Amino acid sequence: GENVEQHPSTLSVQEGDSAVIKCTYSDSASNYFPWYKQELGKRPQLIIDIRSNVGEKKDQRIAVTLNKTAKHFSLHITETQPEDSAVYFCAANNNAGNMLTFGGGTRLMVKP
Amino acid sequence: KAGVTQTPRYLIKTRGQQVTLSCSPISGHRSVSWYQQTPGQGLQFLFEYFSETQRNKGNFPGRFSGRQFSNSRSEMNVSTLELGDSALYLCASRQNVLKNTEAFFGQGTRLTVV
Repeated sequence: GENVEQHPSTLSVQEGDSAVIKCTYSDSASNYFPWYKQELGKRPQLIIDIRSNVGEKKDQRIAVTLNKTAKHFSLHITETQPEDSAVYFCAANNNAGNMLTFGGGTRLMVKP
Repeated sequence: KAGVTQTPRYLIKTRGQQVTLSCSPISGHRSVSWYQQTPGQGLQFLFEYFSETQRNKGNFPGRFSGRQFSNSRSEMNVSTLELGDSALYLCASRQNVLKNTEAFFGQGTRLTVV
């Protein structure tokens, strides 16, 4: 089955700096890669996603890049703000049905 | 449109007991997945249902089971509870299984086994 690894597990940045979280996946048939943000005590919520026919996608301060050959994708957050502090999860959609496999999560702390 | 609703929000059970958790997906969503979230373990996939059929199952013991009803509501059951089953159980619903669409999560049921 699909295996998704996510790094780093914790990331501390200064407000205004950029943050990068990286994920690798194992199943070359995976074709959908969402990123979820989970604030403390809240449900995970989608912040951005990318499909395998696209190499990069941007939404304001957030961008995701995908390298299908290397089977890795990354989340980039620019001009970080304290409200960006949360746990971020990457995921890959296994084509065997409708199964999302998640990475282990990255706890991002943005220091004011 | 109402979001994904999970009940109950909190539950305390004793070792050896069984528990049933409920998930009502967003109206029109036919796919429901369940995840176990524990500190340091991320989101572990339990199973996924579509049109009352279990299509995928994660690597959990047989004590974990689920089902889906004709109205797409889903339940998961854990029998013979162990201390290690203490976790936040999240369900997520998706609209279209033929295309990759956003998974919407419920707020979860926090299960504590004592």
